[in-house]
Amino acid sequence: DIQMTQSPSSLSASVGDRVTITCRASQSISRNLNWYQQKPGKAPNLLIYATSSLKIGVPSRFSGSGSGTDFTLTISSLQAEDFATYFCQQTYRTPQTFGQGTRVEIK
Amino acid sequence: QVQLVQSGAEVKKPGASVKVSCKASGYTFTGYYMHWVRQAPGQGLEWMGWINPNSGGTNYAQKFQGRVTMTRDTSISTAYMELSRLRSDDTAVYYCAREGKHRYYYYMDVWGKGTTVTVSS
Repeated sequence: DIQMTQSPSSLSASVGDRVTITCRASQSISRNLNWYQQKPGKAPNLLIYATSSLKIGVPSRFSGSGSGTDFTLTISSLQAEDFATYFCQQTYRTPQTFGQGTRVEIK
Repeated sequence: QVQLVQSGAEVKKPGASVKVSCKASGYTFTGYYMHWVRQAPGQGLEWMGWINPNSGGTNYAQKFQGRVTMTRDTSISTAYMELSRLRSDDTAVYYCAREGKHRYYYYMDVWGKGTTVTVSS
């Protein structure tokens, strides 16, 4: 199975901060990488697919980049509603696998 | 609007089975694969498998082979996930999620709210 490792596992940030989350795959996954946001007690919500394509309706402060094994999710200016847990997911090989999550907390 | 409505919470004893339903609306049910993903308390997301609602074909994660069965009823646009021989570590929230596709990229673009399954003696 392809292992997905996110870093950091958690971070504290303030409104307006630029936040970057990293996801590393144990082998190349081309650009088959998605990002989800999950708030407590809620289902995950797709933010970005195919590494850098924003789902319709997702604010433009979210962006994704990378290819191969290294990927990043960037929030250019953190807003109050962005405090949540973020997961990466690879769909290059079955079984699809997720990162362990990055919790973004209020500083 | 597009939505997936899941069945209610379940409490089961070890060794029992559970069957969770996921009713789709707002789109053509047979046009999109349906995935099942679970999340143990305080843990990450674990992919269990998918079903092609059009053909009924399935693909299960090896971890769940022999214990999971995914089916569908196209007449009521509903997918089902049955997990047997339940253990305490199967306690989790179970989500159904529709597969979206763009060229050869796949993702889960619509999620149900989740069904809590508690396994306890």
